[in-house]
Amino acid sequence: AQTVTQSQPEMSVQEAETVTLSCTYDTSENNYYLFWYKQPPSRQMILVIRQEAYKQQNATENRFSVNFQKAAKSFSLKISDSQLGDTAMYFCAFILYNNNDMRFGAGTRLTVKP
Amino acid sequence: DAGVTQSPTHLIKTRGQQVTLRCSPKSGHDTVSWYQQALGQGPQFIFQYYEEEERQRGNFPDRFSGHQFPNYSSELNVNALLLGDSALYLCASSWGALLVRSGANVLTFGAGSRLTVL
Repeated sequence: AQTVTQSQPEMSVQEAETVTLSCTYDTSENNYYLFWYKQPPSRQMILVIRQEAYKQQNATENRFSVNFQKAAKSFSLKISDSQLGDTAMYFCAFILYNNNDMRFGAGTRLTVKP
Repeated sequence: DAGVTQSPTHLIKTRGQQVTLRCSPKSGHDTVSWYQQALGQGPQFIFQYYEEEERQRGNFPDRFSGHQFPNYSSELNVNALLLGDSALYLCASSWGALLVRSGANVLTFGAGSRLTVL
């Protein structure tokens, strides 16, 4: 079974500092995608960043980057220069290539403090 | 460009009742997926509709059913409501039957319908 674990229910960071959110997943398959989604109080899930499992290079999107360790089945999200607008729930998600069932972790609530 | 729209935003039902939730996909998308997000948890996949057919289903009972219309919009129906059905129901749209084979395709989510069952 494919599962996603986020071990940090809540985290906080000072504005302009860097924070890393952890995610591990479990699968016996080789081909899959990993995602980080942000869910602000407006409830709409917004894609932050995605990574294909076959790509060794870590994905980056502006202030957001990931550390993908395939052997360890780890996919952490680093947010640099944190902004107040980054305050939200962050979900790590996983999907197999030939499947449409996206699996989500339980989320990490991030608070950016001024 | 309108994104994914869902209605209603909030609703309250009692146990045993039936509910219908509606979703209009993002312009250019032809596939709709439904997710249930219980309080304090991540979303769970209910099912996906493509070409007006249910293409894949998660681990949900038959009380959960759906429909997709020719204009790609979709409905989620839940019969015989239980207290445990209280949740945020998210609709997500995409293009094509298989999510990751669409290359850069990703799910676009709506803001959800918050269902409370009393």
